[in-house]
Amino acid sequence: EVQLVQSGAEVKKPGESLKISCKGSGYSFTSYWIGWVRQMPGKGLEWMGIIYPGDSDTRYSPSFQGQVTISADKSISTAYLQWSSLKASDTAMYYCARHPSMVGGEADYWGQGTLVTVSS
Amino acid sequence: DVVMTQSPLSLPVTLGQPASISCRSSQSLVYSDGNTYLNWFQQRPGQSPRRLIYKVSNRDSGVPDRFSGSGSGTDFTLKISRVEAEDVGVYYCMQGTHWPSWTFGQGTKVEIK
Repeated sequence: EVQLVQSGAEVKKPGESLKISCKGSGYSFTSYWIGWVRQMPGKGLEWMGIIYPGDSDTRYSPSFQGQVTISADKSISTAYLQWSSLKASDTAMYYCARHPSMVGGEADYWGQGTLVTVSS
Repeated sequence: DVVMTQSPLSLPVTLGQPASISCRSSQSLVYSDGNTYLNWFQQRPGQSPRRLIYKVSNRDSGVPDRFSGSGSGTDFTLKISRVEAEDVGVYYCMQGTHWPSWTFGQGTKVEIK
């Protein structure tokens, strides 16, 4: 069974750093892309970027380029989303999703989401 | 960025009645390989999104056949033939044709009258 299991909820202060994770199982982790999606409170979905764990090829949406870093450790089948300096506006639910290809946006399996709260 | 516009944004429906959601893109979604990468996702209250439809009209495994997708070019539709209580949630279209940013529609909230 394909599963994406994300790390737990985080409460951080502005300016702090953070790295959240997404662990894949039940499939060949290095053969699929992992994408990240943001959902701000009460709002819609925004695609952030995508990584191919097989070779760490990473692409970002222009809106998120330079704001976050996406990485992966294929040895433990885990993808990451990280911030170096959080802002209150980063408060959101973040989802990872598996993509069969870099073309198409066809996210076929999703993680349960990680809620990030940034507040002083 | 390609803008995806859904309508309506709120859709009250009587149980057992049909529902239809429109999604329009600001550019054609036909990719260079000939495919049209238009996906539909369902997000039930408190849950992660779930893919229902990919490449306009291909229903995912386990998705009831009361859900269907259609359209071409820039105009697309998701139809529910007979709405059931479990269909309550927000539905998003998403284009996967234009890189570097795939884009979602604003979402359509389906609720029971």
